[in-house]
Amino acid sequence: DTGVSQDPRHKITKRGQNVTFRCDPISEHNRLYWYRQTLGQGPEFLTYFQNEAQLEKSRLLSDRFSAERPKGSFSTLEIQRTEQGDSAMYLCASGRGSGGSHEQYFGPGTRLTVT
Amino acid sequence: RKEVEQDPGPFNVPEGATVAFNCTYSNSASQSFFWYRQDCRKEPKLLMSVYSSGNEDGRFTAQLNRASQYISLLIRDSKLSDSATYLCVGHMNTGFQKLVFGTGTRLLVSP
Repeated sequence: DTGVSQDPRHKITKRGQNVTFRCDPISEHNRLYWYRQTLGQGPEFLTYFQNEAQLEKSRLLSDRFSAERPKGSFSTLEIQRTEQGDSAMYLCASGRGSGGSHEQYFGPGTRLTVT
Repeated sequence: RKEVEQDPGPFNVPEGATVAFNCTYSNSASQSFFWYRQDCRKEPKLLMSVYSSGNEDGRFTAQLNRASQYISLLIRDSKLSDSATYLCVGHMNTGFQKLVFGTGTRLLVSP
């Protein structure tokens, strides 16, 4: 499968615990994005990497959230001291970003439930 | 006002019908638009890109009206498998690379 992959697919955690999600983009894509989606809403942008550089962060990304893409390939999203309001689907997407293309391709997501 | 607005539906149509969704956007700097399809509890999948006035792909036609700031998606000869949520998406040409999603329009195609 050469699409975007995410791990884990589901995560249940207790409030106050830290969680980390991983995203592996399509191999030739240099752009990587994280989004969050709650029920009945479209995905909301969290952050964006071009290669290893984090170029953009949403105001939604509080201090408890951190994302990395150390070698410009896979990325991790960590949430510290989780809260019930963090329960959502966390989606990763990648894009080529060349030739003026802004198309993004999504992974299957990590569904987080904070109890 | 949301940057991208859609009628949430649901649109209930019989198999074989033609159905159209509209979407409006508020940021005139938006340059590129997309329609994504999302099945229940699945990830969004790119359906069509709309870079200029419109695009057609088989039974699907997308149109862009920059003067009125709306995008439409027309589905002809609806299939049961077209039942899904259709997300209207804009790319902001402001140096940022984020996509801005509408809340989606739900389509239910019945036999």
